[in-house]
Amino acid sequence: EVQLVESGGGLVQPGGSLRLSCAASGFTFSSIWMTWVRQTPGKGLEWVANIKQDGSRKYYVDSVKGRFTISRDNANNSLYLQMNSLRVDDTAVYYCARESWGPRFDPWGQGTLVTVSS
Amino acid sequence: QSALTQPPSASGSPGQSVTISCTGTSSDVGGYNYVSWYQQHPGKAPKLMIYEVSKRPSGVPDRFSGSKSGNTASLTVSGLQAEDEADYYCISYAGSIYVFGTGTKVTVL
Repeated sequence: EVQLVESGGGLVQPGGSLRLSCAASGFTFSSIWMTWVRQTPGKGLEWVANIKQDGSRKYYVDSVKGRFTISRDNANNSLYLQMNSLRVDDTAVYYCARESWGPRFDPWGQGTLVTVSS
Repeated sequence: QSALTQPPSASGSPGQSVTISCTGTSSDVGGYNYVSWYQQHPGKAPKLMIYEVSKRPSGVPDRFSGSKSGNTASLTVSGLQAEDEADYYCISYAGSIYVFGTGTKVTVL
């Protein structure tokens, strides 16, 4: 069964840092692009970042450039999102998803909640 | 990187059809045939319903169909059923990045 499980969310103060993880299973992780999407409470979805199979290409939405870093560990089937200089408006549920052309984000993890508040 | 524009809500009675629009620009929706649609029920992760404008993943009922004209993509749900009541989001490739739509809440009356 293809499965993605996020972890690492929590409460952090503005200006703080957090590292999200996404554990993948049931597919050849090293052969697929991966993506992060976030959803602010009660609001819509926002694509955050993605990363190529070998990590050589990474793209970000403008609002997180210079603050967030996406990375992956193919040996351990894991995806990461390092979030620095967090702001209140980064508060959201963060999902990881397997990505292919379409765009096909499928499946998604269950999400992990990040709350940025003092 | 502005969000694609969707109507906030749409509704229909069981058995009827509802169409949701997703309007962007020539830099996203109009520039690529890479638009997909996601369904999200409360408290759940989004589910892929349509990709590459009009293709359905296996397991998605053929009541769901997609199309595109110019800078506007559309999702049509025919033969509405109670379980179709959900939020729907479009997303488009925009040249190395992706842009989601603002989301549409579909209500089955």
